[in-house]
Amino acid sequence: GAVVSQHPSRVICKSGTSVKIECRSLDFQATTMFWYRQFPKQSLMLMATSNEGSKATYEQGVEKDKFLINHASLTLSTLTVTSAHPEDSSFYICSASPDSNQPQHFGDGTRLSIL
Amino acid sequence: DQQVKQNSPSLSVQEGRISILNCDYTNSMFDYFLWYKKYPAEGPTFLISISSIKDKNEDGRFTVFLNKSAKHLSLHIVPSQPGDSAVYFCAARPNTGNQFYFGTGTSLTVIP
Repeated sequence: GAVVSQHPSRVICKSGTSVKIECRSLDFQATTMFWYRQFPKQSLMLMATSNEGSKATYEQGVEKDKFLINHASLTLSTLTVTSAHPEDSSFYICSASPDSNQPQHFGDGTRLSIL
Repeated sequence: DQQVKQNSPSLSVQEGRISILNCDYTNSMFDYFLWYKKYPAEGPTFLISISSIKDKNEDGRFTVFLNKSAKHLSLHIVPSQPGDSAVYFCAARPNTGNQFYFGTGTSLTVIP
């Protein structure tokens, strides 16, 4: 079945560091990928929709200058958390689908801890 | 505003019995619903889906029921197995756009 790979799985870094998270669709092309964030005991909250070859669409309340998204190819989207602070510590997860009529497939997520 | 709600954060069921996980939604524009299963340290994996034109979809031990008038869906697992122990998320998508809205999850424990 469709596989989505996310890297890294865990990041621990100092406040002020920028962190890049990669999301790859391994056996299909994805013109659209989604980035979610999950706080403990809360649901997956959509942050942004990553569109290949064009600008990402951000959900209300998500700072686009803080969370930079690049979808440079049909198999790769990256999320960069710029100048990360402790409040950015969270679980970030991406998803993609071969087409809109199929379920989304998720990466294994990235646990980001900012000290 | 939480548009998809799973009001039971946890559920324990004896092995072999039926597990029923519930999900409620508020947006009448949702027309596609899914259940995902998540193990610790892994991403959610797709389990089963249902579109709004149906009220039931069955796949092996898993059955999803949709009650559109009540804006309610449920996942039935029978018979439950210890390997089913995981967090289950329901998700819904409106008939416009590709984005999904997720519930907060229900942690299922199947007791051997």
